Amino acid sequence: QLQLQESGPGLVKPSETLSLTCTVSGDSISSDSYYWGWLRQPPGKGLEWIGSISYSGSTYYNPSLKSRVTMSVDTSKNQISLKLSSVTAEDTALYYCARPYSTSWYGNALDIWGQGTMVTVSS
Amino acid sequence: EIVMTQSPATLSVSPGERATLSCRASQSVRTNLAWYQQKPGQAPRLLIYGASTRATGIPARFSGSGSGTEFTLTISSLQSEDFAVYYCQQYNNWPPLTFGGGTKVEIK
Repeated sequence: QLQLQESGPGLVKPSETLSLTCTVSGDSISSDSYYWGWLRQPPGKGLEWIGSISYSGSTYYNPSLKSRVTMSVDTSKNQISLKLSSVTAEDTALYYCARPYSTSWYGNALDIWGQGTMVTVSS
Repeated sequence: EIVMTQSPATLSVSPGERATLSCRASQSVRTNLAWYQQKPGQAPRLLIYGASTRATGIPARFSGSGSGTEFTLTISSLQSEDFAVYYCQQYNNWPPLTFGGGTKVEIK
């Protein structure tokens, strides 16, 4: 059974870089060409897609965050990573990684989610 | 960017009644539309993809319809476990993937 687990610091200072990791268990990231996604949800608010990455490393970012986002994949560790630079209080959110139900470009409905990790930006 | 608009923001329904949630896209997304359910403290759960296909393990009381710009999620007979927030999401024109603002289904 595929499981995703986000991890990283729960507190980041303003202007610093937020770094999170999503560890995939139950299957290999490189077994098929899914677009692994990162999303976030500020407290009491809705969902925002941050970006997606394929196992080969192709990345697709939300234009609203593109200048600050970097995603990467480590197939040897079965992990995907997220870095968000120059964070502010507006980046305080619950961060999720997720996998879609299909490898198709038009299959990006997100079927498997991690439990999420809360990141607070504060000095 | 495609903007997704959900209505109403809050829906008050009695257990056993039908709930109808709406989602509108700012331009056609064909049937590349998903619905999610989110309960407090939990990650979103995929209910519907392809506008009308139930995800694995989703009860038949959940149904989706629509295409183009207008979509509906219907819960035929609300159970206590269905009170939650529901989001729609388009994946036709991406990046970016975009979500609606959500509809909270609460107990009347």
